[in-house]
Amino acid sequence: SQQGEEDPQALSIQEGENATMNCSYKTSINNLQWYRQNSGRGLVHLILIRSNEREKHSGRLRVTLDTSKKSSSLLITASRAADTASYFCATAFNFNKFYFGSGTKLNVKP
Amino acid sequence: DAGITQSPRHKVTETGTPVTLRCHQTENHRYMYWYRQDPGHGLRLIHYSYGVKDTDKGEVSDGYSVSRSKTEDFLLTLESATSSQTSVYFCAISEGGSQETQYFGPGTRLLVL
Repeated sequence: SQQGEEDPQALSIQEGENATMNCSYKTSINNLQWYRQNSGRGLVHLILIRSNEREKHSGRLRVTLDTSKKSSSLLITASRAADTASYFCATAFNFNKFYFGSGTKLNVKP
Repeated sequence: DAGITQSPRHKVTETGTPVTLRCHQTENHRYMYWYRQDPGHGLRLIHYSYGVKDTDKGEVSDGYSVSRSKTEDFLLTLESATSSQTSVYFCAISEGGSQETQYFGPGTRLLVL
C-alpha cells in the first residue's frame, strides 16, 4: 500500500499538554497534508507541506517532514478540549490522487 | 466553508438496488473525488474526476461508477448495492489536484440491508 500510516492510533492527554502524532509512508511524495475530522463530520485541512520543505507552522500546529525517513509529524501545542478529533495524514504521489492513513484519535481531557 | 453539498445525507437501501449519491460544488474547482470511510481503514479513494467527462479509478472502484457531465456535479452510482458497501461516503474538491488542499463535503451515511 502507498498509504501513509499514523502513529499512535489513539492518544489521550490533559488539556495544556502537547500532542504529537506521526505519519510514515512508503514511496516518494510530492507533498503531505494533515487533516482533522471531528466526530461525524467531514475532514478539515490543517497544513500542506511540500517535499522540499522541512517544517511548517500554523498557529499552535507544527508539522515536520523528513523525506529521508519517509515520515512526518504533527505537533499540537497547548492542547485544548476542542482539539479532540481524529487526525489524518494524506500523501500525494502524483498530480491527481491522495492516499489517507487510518488516523490518530486524539482525546484531550479538560 | 467551501460550497460542497452531498445528497442524500442518509440513505437506507436493500441489497441489489441501485443507488446514486450526488456531490454538488459552487467553487468551480476542477478536481472532484469520492471516498468511502470505514472503521480501521481511514479514507479510501473510489473514483475521481479531473474535468467534465474525465474520470479515473481509485483504490476501491469495483462496484462503483461515476459521471461528471457538469463542472459542479459529480455522481457516484452503486449499480447493485451490497452490504459491503455500507459506509460513509465523502465527496471532496480541489482546484489543483493533489498539489493543493482538498475541501470535503459533510458526508453521506449509506446502510445497505
